[in-house]
Amino acid sequence: DTGVSQDPRHKITKRGQNVTFRCDPISEHNRLYWYRQTLGQGPEFLTYFQNEAQLEKSRLLSDRFSAERPKGSFSTLEIQRTEQGDSAMYLCASSLESTVYYGYTFGSGTRLTVV
Amino acid sequence: QQPVQSPQAVILREGEDAVINCSSSKALYSVHWYRQKHGEAPVFLMILLKGGEQKGHDKISASFNEKKQQSSLYLTASQLSYSGTYFCGTVHGGSQGNLIFGKGTKLSVKP
Repeated sequence: DTGVSQDPRHKITKRGQNVTFRCDPISEHNRLYWYRQTLGQGPEFLTYFQNEAQLEKSRLLSDRFSAERPKGSFSTLEIQRTEQGDSAMYLCASSLESTVYYGYTFGSGTRLTVV
Repeated sequence: QQPVQSPQAVILREGEDAVINCSSSKALYSVHWYRQKHGEAPVFLMILLKGGEQKGHDKISASFNEKKQQSSLYLTASQLSYSGTYFCGTVHGGSQGNLIFGKGTKLSVKP
């Protein structure tokens, strides 16, 4: 068990460019979550998957954001036409099953800086 | 409906105790507690299910008060390694989806 892996660790991009992040969850975990965290704040929910199905997406999430989890394994988060307000740490987490009963294992995150 | 954590920050000397509270305006199914050190990912500490249970984890324990929709995290005989930001995450009735995290409580333990 190598934990949750995220790639890249850091990404600097120019405003207007598209970026894609990857997350490899713990292999036995069915659930995969994407959160965003800015300095001094708690993680903010973006979306989550149960196997390959995307079950919930934050209402605050712009149409510029899209996530996939093909075949229920790794996941990608794409941000199109990045804006400076997208600068944040993007955290991926996985859990065995229902959030009611199982804690999350977080990856180390991808820090995005939009210049 | 983000849970409210208090206090926002606390400074302790080694060996002192602290209590961090997490309150919700909505009915809770469970509460998670995480600790995040600077520049690192949050690490899961424990999960409390509704029913008023109390759990322990070394010298860190927590309780869940279903009537008050509140959970408290207790850190006893604090160690330098306890420093970090503590987040509660709440799961509300009927939802088995995502956690909603509070803004965090920054704990600093001084020698």
